[in-house]
Amino acid sequence: EAQVTQNPRYLITVTGKKLTVTCSQNMNHEYMSWYRQDPGLGLRQIYYSMNVEVTDKGDVPEGYKVSRKEKRNFPLILESPSPNQTSLYFCASSPRERTNTGELFFGEGSRLTVL
Amino acid sequence: GQQLNQSPQSMFIQEGEDVSMNCTSSSIFNTWLWYKQDPGEGPVLLIALYKAGELTSNGRLTAQFGITRKDSFLNISASIPSDVGIYFCAVQNYGGSQGNLIFGKGTKLSVKP
Repeated sequence: EAQVTQNPRYLITVTGKKLTVTCSQNMNHEYMSWYRQDPGLGLRQIYYSMNVEVTDKGDVPEGYKVSRKEKRNFPLILESPSPNQTSLYFCASSPRERTNTGELFFGEGSRLTVL
Repeated sequence: GQQLNQSPQSMFIQEGEDVSMNCTSSSIFNTWLWYKQDPGEGPVLLIALYKAGELTSNGRLTAQFGITRKDSFLNISASIPSDVGIYFCAVQNYGGSQGNLIFGKGTKLSVKP
């Protein structure tokens, strides 16, 4: 089944404890992206990647890192999480030929709470 | 940054009623999209609009790309309980990255059986 898989789906952690949210897609998509969803703010892009070893900042990149060593994986790294990073995170992907269409395939989300 | 104004923020309707929501921007965009997020899931694309004035239907859903390229609306006819969720408008931000979408803040729809 074609899908975008995120792990963990739920996580409660403490301030300063490094964590990684993994994202993997099995559709051979070139484009991958991370969004965070907060009440009243909608979805905001954190980082995106056009292809392997190519990443760039989105609208809210502060406090996050990403890497794209393989086409299928795009992990989101929080080196020193803070409470304002408590949010619902979504990974999304798209094939190169569809990135101009606006169609993204989203994972199911990872709900992160930082105490 | 650029913003989309989506309204209403939330709607509580009776099953069978029609629904209308809209999205406006102060800037011109060449692609308007409508996504739906079911509870506990990621957003899924419902309708994509690529031409000013375009009216597109997908079952009970109808969306239009405004002629000024600064707005779009989504209508749902004869709502059913599974229409519950958050509806997001989105535009493609060509000023930034290819494929970078700007999302509205969402319209939360509740349907009473």
